[in-house]
Amino acid sequence: GAVVSQHPSRVICKSGTSVKIECRSLDFQATTMFWYRQFPKKSLMLMATSNEGSKATYEQGVEKDKFLINHASLTLSTLTVTSAHPEDSSFYICSANMATDTQYFGPGTRLTVL
Amino acid sequence: DAKTTQPPSMDCAEGRAANLPCNHSTISGNEYVYWYRQIHSQGPQYIIHGLKNNETNEMASLIITEDRKSSTLILPHATLRDTAVYYCIVRVAGSGAGSYQLTFGKGTKLSVIP
Repeated sequence: GAVVSQHPSRVICKSGTSVKIECRSLDFQATTMFWYRQFPKKSLMLMATSNEGSKATYEQGVEKDKFLINHASLTLSTLTVTSAHPEDSSFYICSANMATDTQYFGPGTRLTVL
Repeated sequence: DAKTTQPPSMDCAEGRAANLPCNHSTISGNEYVYWYRQIHSQGPQYIIHGLKNNETNEMASLIITEDRKSSTLILPHATLRDTAVYYCIVRVAGSGAGSYQLTFGKGTKLSVIP
């Protein structure tokens, strides 16, 4: 149990295009999902907290108009990187909270912007 | 959330027990100790968590000192697949979306050696 999936696992896009990443909790319902970003050899940095049916809460320094988050159901949250640029290249990881209070993570999405 | 201190790296011989320490001297009474690990290029994997009692599951044991200022994660028989970065995180028990956040430090890079 407690499986979180992400799609795609890897994406390469041209500068200026938008990329959507999906995060799904496969066997549980998650009222809260989180999006993290991780640069090479660095730790995970929280980008935003996503609550089902409401607007996401972004961490300081994260542009909400650039990183659009939608949490339309209890099992799905999406992150759209709009007008991506090379500096947005990173490893994006989502997580979901179970009712037990434990957070489970997806496998991550490697984004490369050319 | 309280901060944690972990050694940056450790080595362990394959088949031996790996003991990973964590200092959390400013932990509050309502904060749990969580352990996650991240294998290269994957999302973090939940290992175990506890409040004040020692805990054991199929992956590991968690030993929390009586004063709760430190803890040790024990992998009883380390294998090469246990090579990863291990994160010790303290977090307030959930009562709303914000309290579920996890703050990742630099962790301990455990290398299991054949």
